[in-house]
Amino acid sequence: QQQVKQSPQSLIVQKGGISIINCAYENTAFDYFPWYQQFPGKGPALLIAIRPDVSEKKEGRFTISFNKSAKQFSLHIMDSQPGDSATYFCAASISAGYSTLTFGKGTMLLVSP
Amino acid sequence: DTEVTQTPKHLVMGMTNKKSLKCEQHMGHRAMYWYKQKAKKPPELMFVYSYEKLSINESVPSRFSPECPNSSLLNLHLHALQPEDSALYLCASSQGGQGLSETQYFGPGTRLLVL
Repeated sequence: QQQVKQSPQSLIVQKGGISIINCAYENTAFDYFPWYQQFPGKGPALLIAIRPDVSEKKEGRFTISFNKSAKQFSLHIMDSQPGDSATYFCAASISAGYSTLTFGKGTMLLVSP
Repeated sequence: DTEVTQTPKHLVMGMTNKKSLKCEQHMGHRAMYWYKQKAKKPPELMFVYSYEKLSINESVPSRFSPECPNSSLLNLHLHALQPEDSALYLCASSQGGQGLSETQYFGPGTRLLVL
């Protein structure tokens, strides 16, 4: 019940295309769903996050779509650029005085020039 | 400012050495975390400190010893490590307190190599 399933494992998109990464969860106690971007040798950086009472959130070229009834959420990267090439992790969080993150396994995105 | 700093950036140690990793944040966060990350894997939670008290120890071997001297600092003391402990060690922090989950902010990590 604590798992977050992420797909695809890897993704190649042409420059200017749309990158889509999907995640699914089981535990309805999760109350926060962040996406992290990680470049090789660096720490994960928060990209965008959403709470389950919102169906969509957009920040620049990045959009999260959230389907509470299906227990699924996805990241869309519009106009993908080579600089977006990185590993993306979805996560889900439960609060207990601190946040306990459950990560997906990650998606390696390569945007070809 | 959402910066979490970690030192050193890189560390090479032998299996008999004792070393420490340091993490610092000045965002007033009261929850701090240590993660271990192997190549091509997600971060794996090791310890959580909430209000300077150890709240979670994810069955981490005793050769890893965390310490939270104050609300801004988090240390990870390393002793008699094994080569399989080589990984990227990440520190993170979040606001802490009751209520909904909030964002965890990660530091750049310490790349550890155990020989």
